Amino acid sequence: QKEVEQNSGPLSVPEGAIASLNCTYSDRVSQSFFWYRQYSGKSPELIMSIYSNGDKEDGRFTAQLNKASQYVSLLIRDSQPSDSATYLCAVRRDRGSTLGRLYFGRGTQLTVWP
Amino acid sequence: SAVISQKPSRDICQRGTSLTIQCQVDSQVTMMFWYRQQPGQSLTLIATANQGSEATYESGFVIDKFPISRPNLTFSTLTVSNMSPEDSSIYLCSVETGVGNEQFFGPGTRLTVL
Repeated sequence: QKEVEQNSGPLSVPEGAIASLNCTYSDRVSQSFFWYRQYSGKSPELIMSIYSNGDKEDGRFTAQLNKASQYVSLLIRDSQPSDSATYLCAVRRDRGSTLGRLYFGRGTQLTVWP
Repeated sequence: SAVISQKPSRDICQRGTSLTIQCQVDSQVTMMFWYRQQPGQSLTLIATANQGSEATYESGFVIDKFPISRPNLTFSTLTVSNMSPEDSSIYLCSVETGVGNEQFFGPGTRLTVL
C-alpha cells in the first residue's frame, strides 16, 4: 500500500464549478497534511496546510481532514481557468528516523475550462 | 514562508560528468531536503540535508552518486555524480519552516544529460 494515494484524474470542470480533490494516507500517526499546486514547468507551491479534523477555509480553497478515515480533501470553489494545474497531496512523517519527510501522492491534474 | 534560490536553473551536461546544484535560503532553517521530479511524475525524496552531519538518504539513493553538503543553516549543495541520461530530471530543494512544519520549495534545477 502506498503512503499517499490520490485520485489521479485528470479532472475537468467548467469555470465557476467546485473542484473536489481527494487523498488517502496510510500512516495513522501523521499529524500534518498539505496541498501543493504545481503549474507546468514550475515548482510546487504550498496552498493549504491542515492539522486538525474538520474543515479549514482560505479564500476559495477548503481543506478537509478526517483522521479516523485517513482522508484529506481539497475543494476549490468558483473554479477559474487559472486554477488549472496539478495538485499534490502531501503527508508529513511525524515520527522515527524519517521525521519531517513528506510523502507525496501522484498528483491530480485539474483543468478548468471557460 | 522562506525565499529559496537555486543555481543553476537549468543545465545540459555530458554523460559521465558531475553537476553541483546550490540551494540558498534567506533565513536559517533546521531542515532542508532534496527531491527529484522526473517528467510527468510526482516528487521523490533523495535525502535530508543535515547541518553538521552526513545527509540521510532515502532507499535507492547513495552518497557516492548524490553527495550533499550542508555547511550552515541557510545553504546546501547537491552533486549529481557520473551522470547518465537517466539522471535527467528536475532537482528541487525544500526547507521546513518552524511554522506548522510547512515545507517550501525552491524553483528547481532542470537537468538534461546527453
